[in-house]
Amino acid sequence: AQTVTQSQPEMSVQEAETVTLSCTYDTSESDYYLFWYKQPPSRQMILVIRQEAYKQQNATENRFSVNFQKAAKSFSLKISDSQLGDAAMYFCAYRRGGSNYKLTFGKGTLLTVNP
Amino acid sequence: DTGVSQNPRHKITKRGQNVTFRCDPISEHNRLYWYRQTLGQGPEFLTYFQNEAQLEKSRLLSDRFSAERPKGSFSTLEIQRTEQGDSAMYLCASSLDPPNEQFFGPGTRLTVL
Repeated sequence: AQTVTQSQPEMSVQEAETVTLSCTYDTSESDYYLFWYKQPPSRQMILVIRQEAYKQQNATENRFSVNFQKAAKSFSLKISDSQLGDAAMYFCAYRRGGSNYKLTFGKGTLLTVNP
Repeated sequence: DTGVSQNPRHKITKRGQNVTFRCDPISEHNRLYWYRQTLGQGPEFLTYFQNEAQLEKSRLLSDRFSAERPKGSFSTLEIQRTEQGDSAMYLCASSLDPPNEQFFGPGTRLTVL
């Protein structure tokens, strides 16, 4: 079974600084996708960024980028120029390729942004 | 913009009662998923539908749980004879097939007293 591990229950960053959230996963599949989801307090979960395992290039979305290390099964999220609105719970998620699209989530990292 | 909606947002019930939650997906999405999220944990997969067909159920979905998606539109999740361990946030998500992402609803928070 696939597992996703987020080893940092909580992280904090100063506004305008950069922070990196860690995620490792375990799978025997070669075709899979990785995601970072953001869950603000009392608000619904939204997708931050996704990465296809077959792509060597790391995904980027504005201030958000990932460091995808396939051999190490590592998928970290870097948030640059942190903003107060980035404060949220961040979940790393995995789904295998093929037609079953269910997501397997890590336990999450609570990010605090200090003004 | 009509995203995924869930009702009710909060439900408090007594142990042993039955509860039903509703999820309305984004209209053109044929895939619908249910997840459960307990305090301090990430969401855990419960079940998913492609149109009206329920294609997979997690071991977490005991016999007291049943989900339906009549006509491939909205979905309901029913929990019979609720237990305190059922207290959680129940999340619904929908997607196209194949998906680039799953779109989540705000969740229904269940408290079993």
